Parts: sequence; structure tokens; C-alpha cells
Amino acid sequence: KQEVTQIPAALSVPEGENLVLNCSFTDSAIYNLQWFRQDPGKGLTSLLLIQSSQREQTSGRLNASLDKSSGRSTLYIAASQPGDSATYLCAVRITTGNQFYFGTGTSLTVIP
Amino acid sequence: NAGVTQTPKFRVLKTGQSMTLLCAQDMNHEYMYWYRQDPGMGLRLIHYSVGEGTTAKGEVPDGYNVSRLKKQNFLLGLESAAPSQTSVYFCASSYTIGALESNQPQHFGDGTRLSIL
Repeated sequence: KQEVTQIPAALSVPEGENLVLNCSFTDSAIYNLQWFRQDPGKGLTSLLLIQSSQREQTSGRLNASLDKSSGRSTLYIAASQPGDSATYLCAVRITTGNQFYFGTGTSLTVIP
Repeated sequence: NAGVTQTPKFRVLKTGQSMTLLCAQDMNHEYMYWYRQDPGMGLRLIHYSVGEGTTAKGEVPDGYNVSRLKKQNFLLGLESAAPSQTSVYFCASSYTIGALESNQPQHFGDGTRLSIL
């Protein structure tokens, strides 16, 4: 069974700092990997999706990388802002396509 | 474009009562999913469907039933609610692997907050 781990569980940084969130998975047979943002009391919003054949994806201040062979992905947030405060989850879609496996998330607080 | 819509948004039940959660998507997605999210445990898959008329069990299916009579709708039922089913329930949908659009992300509803007393 695929297991997805996110470390740290919580992170607090001052505004303006660059930061990296980590996601690791146990089975490299993945179809893609997604990073989501979840605000308190809300659903999940997709931030970036990386196909298994890709190494990274960028959107604005966000950059996600994927190293399938080592079972790792990182989400890099540049010049963090208080509005970035949220929980960030990663999820892998397995190659059979039927299921996604989620990490437990990293709760990010950006202090003004 | 509404995306994924869940109803109701909140509900309080007494132990033993039954209810149905409705999920509707307007993106013509083949796959639909029901998850529950509990503190410290992340999202856990309850049931999923790979197409109209098909359903399958996920990681935590006990105490729940589902139906996918129409492609756009996926219903989650609790026949006899228990306090352990107090949770936030999320519905999601996605394209099939191999479809031209399969590089599109999984889409989520805003959740249903369910309390069982």
C-alpha cells in the first residue's frame, strides 16, 4: 500500500522568507503527484500537478519538484506572504489510476 | 462552472439515524470519490466509482454505502449513524487515466461537516 508522509507537520516562518515543504511516498509507481492547499473549514484547492515523467512544475511563486526514484517531492514557496498561511497537502495517484493517496499535510503560518 | 457541489454543508444527527450526502459534478469526470477527513489522520478514502453504475470500496468503507446511478452524481449513505462517523466528508472527481485530460487535477467539493450525537 502506498504511504505518503509530510514533514514537518507544522511550520511557522516570518513574512518574506523562502520555504520548502516536503512530501515522501513509499511506492514509486505513481501516475502523478498533486499539491493542494486547504484553508480552515474549506475544501482542497489544487496548486500544482506533476506528471510522473516530469521533474517540476511552476506557478507564480510556487515551484514543485518530483524525484520519483527516491520517492520525494518538494513544494518551494518564494517570498512567503501571510495569505499563504494554510495547510498544504500532497497526494499521489497510483498507476492503476483508481485511487489517490494523501499525506496528512503541513500547516503553514506566515507571520507578518 | 460549479465544479463539485456537496449538499448539505452541515448536519447534526442522532445515533442510529440515517442520511444521504449528495455530490454532483459538472465536469463530465468518470471517477468520483468520497473521503473523510479527521484531525491527524489526513484524508481517507471511503468509496469510489470509476463510472456510472460502478462502485468500489476504499480504505474505510464500513458503515457507509454509495450509489452512482448517474455519471454526474455520487451519493454517500449512512444507514445507522454512529458517533465514530463524526467527521468532515469530501467528495472529489477526476478524469480517467489515459484520457486526454488526465493531466488535469482532482477537483474537490467544499465538504460536509457531520456531527453524530
